[in-house]
Amino acid sequence: GAVVSQHPSWVICKSGTSVKIECRSLDFQATTMFWYRQFPKQSLMLMATSNEGSKATYEQGVEKDKFLINHASLTLSTLTVTSAHPEDSSFYICSAEAPYSNQPQHFGDGTRLSIL
Amino acid sequence: AQTVTQSQPEMSVQEAETVTLSCTYDTSENNYYLFWYKQPPSRQMILVIRQEAYKQQNATENRFSVNFQKAAKSFSLKISDSQLGDTAMYFCAFMKHGTGNQFYFGTGTSLTVIP
Repeated sequence: GAVVSQHPSWVICKSGTSVKIECRSLDFQATTMFWYRQFPKQSLMLMATSNEGSKATYEQGVEKDKFLINHASLTLSTLTVTSAHPEDSSFYICSAEAPYSNQPQHFGDGTRLSIL
Repeated sequence: AQTVTQSQPEMSVQEAETVTLSCTYDTSENNYYLFWYKQPPSRQMILVIRQEAYKQQNATENRFSVNFQKAAKSFSLKISDSQLGDTAMYFCAFMKHGTGNQFYFGTGTSLTVIP
């Protein structure tokens, strides 16, 4: 149980386009989800905390208008990278809090974003 | 704020041998959790082991065990009988007790198991 699905797993697009990444909790409801960014051979850095039905809480230094987060239902949070540029290329990972789980958070498999 | 430090960027171990990965953290919290996550080349985050701060007994999971020293704020991971599949990045992580709390990850240790 407590599966988190992230889609797409890999996306390549041209500079200037917007890209949406979905994070779904498949068999549980998640009031809180988290979005992380990971550069090669580096750690996961929290970008924002996504709360169902309310605005996301962004970490210092993360541009709210650049990385739009929507958590409209208890099973879906989306991250939209607007007007993406090559420096936005990275690995993005989401996680979801799973109530009554032996793990505090369950991670998606990540999305590799490459901006040309 | 919480900080997590992993002082070993890279380590290697011979297959079947034992290796210990270090982790220290800094916090003013009294109730918290500590974790070790494994991230293989597939980039999936896999929970290896967890430790509740209020428990004095060190957690163990098969070949994986921790040495939790609360006063020293140290949380090392020991991998016994290392296997080739253990080759991965290992991240130490801290989380405050309660809901809606984020992970604080260390910088990671790249472990290579040598056949």
